[in-house]
Amino acid sequence: ETGVTQSPTHLIKTRGQQVTLRCSSQSGHNTVSWYQQALGQGPQFIFQYYREEENGRGNFPPRFSGLQFPNYSSELNVNALELDDSALYLCASSLGTSGSRRNEQFFGPGTRLTVL
Amino acid sequence: AQSVTQLDSQVPVFEEAPVELRCNYSSSVSVYLFWYVQYPNQGLQLLLKYLSGSTLVKGINGFEAEFNKSQTSFHLRKPSVHISDTAEYFCAVSEFGNTNAGKSTFGDGTTLTVKP
Repeated sequence: ETGVTQSPTHLIKTRGQQVTLRCSSQSGHNTVSWYQQALGQGPQFIFQYYREEENGRGNFPPRFSGLQFPNYSSELNVNALELDDSALYLCASSLGTSGSRRNEQFFGPGTRLTVL
Repeated sequence: AQSVTQLDSQVPVFEEAPVELRCNYSSSVSVYLFWYVQYPNQGLQLLLKYLSGSTLVKGINGFEAEFNKSQTSFHLRKPSVHISDTAEYFCAVSEFGNTNAGKSTFGDGTTLTVKP
């Protein structure tokens, strides 16, 4: 059983550019949640995808968007990058058959995004 | 809406001493509770979770936590720490039920430093 993987591990972009981060969920998991973790802070919920549909969003602007594919892997896209977007982006997968199971999240190692 | 307060940003402790990391939460509905550990440059690893049942929860690496509904607390304890426990610890909550499952709210973390 493979765990959650994310790519790339590190990324450097400049203000105004666009970025795509990728996440492969744990085998059999159909729910992916994305979090942003700024330096020195706890993760903040961005959005969740369940069976290829967005299933809730946190307090993030529309320039943060995502996709989930039929194999349940997921992408996070950020347009018009700002300096404050510099953070560790974490994805977490879970099995969404019930509330308790969907809460049992397995996190990937994250992508460190630096915006200059 | 819910919130999590981790009462200590840094906890230094000597090896083999006991430790308690404190977490209080606020929510208008029933919640699930979690503790995660994050080692440098890594993602989050689940230490333990409270979903229902016994309020004393045992996790990995000798950690345990007690859910106290009246005090809205979920403090993490370990009777004897090791150097390898040095890491960042996060308390998190998510709402009971299916609608907001897997959309966790995290505290800002507690840095545990174990000294020889």
